[in-house]
Amino acid sequence: DAGVTQSPTHLIKTRGQHVTLRCSPISGHKSVSWYQQVLGQGPQFIFQYYEKEERGRGNFPDRFSARQFPNYSSELNVNALLLGDSALYLCASSLGTGGGYTFGSGTRLTVV
Amino acid sequence: GDSVTQMEGPVTLSEEAFLTINCTYTATGYPSLFWYVQYPGEGLQLLLKATKADDKGSNKGFEATYRKETTSFHLEKGSVQVSDSAVYFCALSPPGAGSYQLTFGKGTKLSVIP
Repeated sequence: DAGVTQSPTHLIKTRGQHVTLRCSPISGHKSVSWYQQVLGQGPQFIFQYYEKEERGRGNFPDRFSARQFPNYSSELNVNALLLGDSALYLCASSLGTGGGYTFGSGTRLTVV
Repeated sequence: GDSVTQMEGPVTLSEEAFLTINCTYTATGYPSLFWYVQYPGEGLQLLLKATKADDKGSNKGFEATYRKETTSFHLEKGSVQVSDSAVYFCALSPPGAGSYQLTFGKGTKLSVIP
């Protein structure tokens, strides 16, 4: 069975641009969460979606948004990119809303 | 708010040495506790977990016991291998149905030399 898949794997953007990251959860998983991992730090929670509804949001500015589609895949959008948005963005899926998360390999975003 | 504190690395050990990575937490109630491992260039993999006080999580020779009295969840392995070289993250999830947010420590990098 395929695990959590994220695309693209690497991305370079210029300050001020917009970016869309994509995530496909494990088949049957209805919950998707997004995390930002800055180099040398632990992941920070951005969003969780369950059954296409936002169930939680971390301490990130409104430039960050996400959505979940009927097939449970998800997109993370970041507007007006800043240098500080450079990070590894991780997607995690689970059957429900509590624990048991499986992480993807991440999208490495570099903002120049 | 919730927080996780891990011992700072990097930690360098010889093969077959004993490993301990300390983790303490601050949270309300009884959170679930996790250890994740991240190999170079990869995402996080769940190593083990414990959901209530005195539970012991174990996997691949690694163990950690949920100690409510000391708010700790230290990771141990009796004999490390070169293949254990990775970054290890301690994390917690708040108690209760619908708890969704994992709070991670900063990670501890382990290097095992032959």
